[in-house]
Amino acid sequence: EAQVTQNPRYLITVTGKKLTVTCSQNMNHEYMSWYRQDPGLGLRQIYYSMNVEVTDKGDVPEGYKVSRKEKRNFPLILESPSPNQTSLYFCASSLFLAGGSDTQYFGPGTRLTVL
Amino acid sequence: AQSVSQHNHHVILSEAASLELGCNYSYGGTVNLFWYVQYPGQHLQLLLKYFSGDPLVKGIKGFEAEFIKSKFSFNLRKPSVQWSDTAEYFCAVWFTSGTYKYIFGTGTRLKVLA
Repeated sequence: EAQVTQNPRYLITVTGKKLTVTCSQNMNHEYMSWYRQDPGLGLRQIYYSMNVEVTDKGDVPEGYKVSRKEKRNFPLILESPSPNQTSLYFCASSLFLAGGSDTQYFGPGTRLTVL
Repeated sequence: AQSVSQHNHHVILSEAASLELGCNYSYGGTVNLFWYVQYPGQHLQLLLKYFSGDPLVKGIKGFEAEFIKSKFSFNLRKPSVQWSDTAEYFCAVWFTSGTYKYIFGTGTRLKVLA
């Protein structure tokens, strides 16, 4: 089954404790992306990756890191989480066509609470 | 800066009413346009998309959208909503020049009363 998986689905942590949220897709998509969803703000792109070893900042990259060492995986790293990073996080992937990105397929989301 | 605006934040309709949700973007170049839906407790999924060609596109579950280039708009419509259309709807724009970002609107929460 074609899918995007994220782990963990729920995470409660404390300020300053490094954490990683994993994302994996099995569709051989070039483009992968991380978003955070906050009430009234919609989805905001954190980072995206055009392909292996190619990443760039979205609109809200502060406090986050990513890496793309393999095509299927795109982990999101919070080196020193803070309470304002409490949010619902989505990973997504898509083909990257000549005209641009195609439909994004979303993971189930990770609900993060930073105390 | 590139941006996407959704004008209706909350919409309440009765079943069989018609729906139109507005979406405007602030960019004059080539864009790819999408509407996604998030049903309660589910993943975001694609309703429809527009890359080029006929500006009136049809999606799943009876939804359609019209791209009006002169107005930078991509409004979503459905002639007759059902209770099962209760969800949050997001307009998204892929800007094809100078960046590879997706920008989402803030979303519209639709509640359909049975």
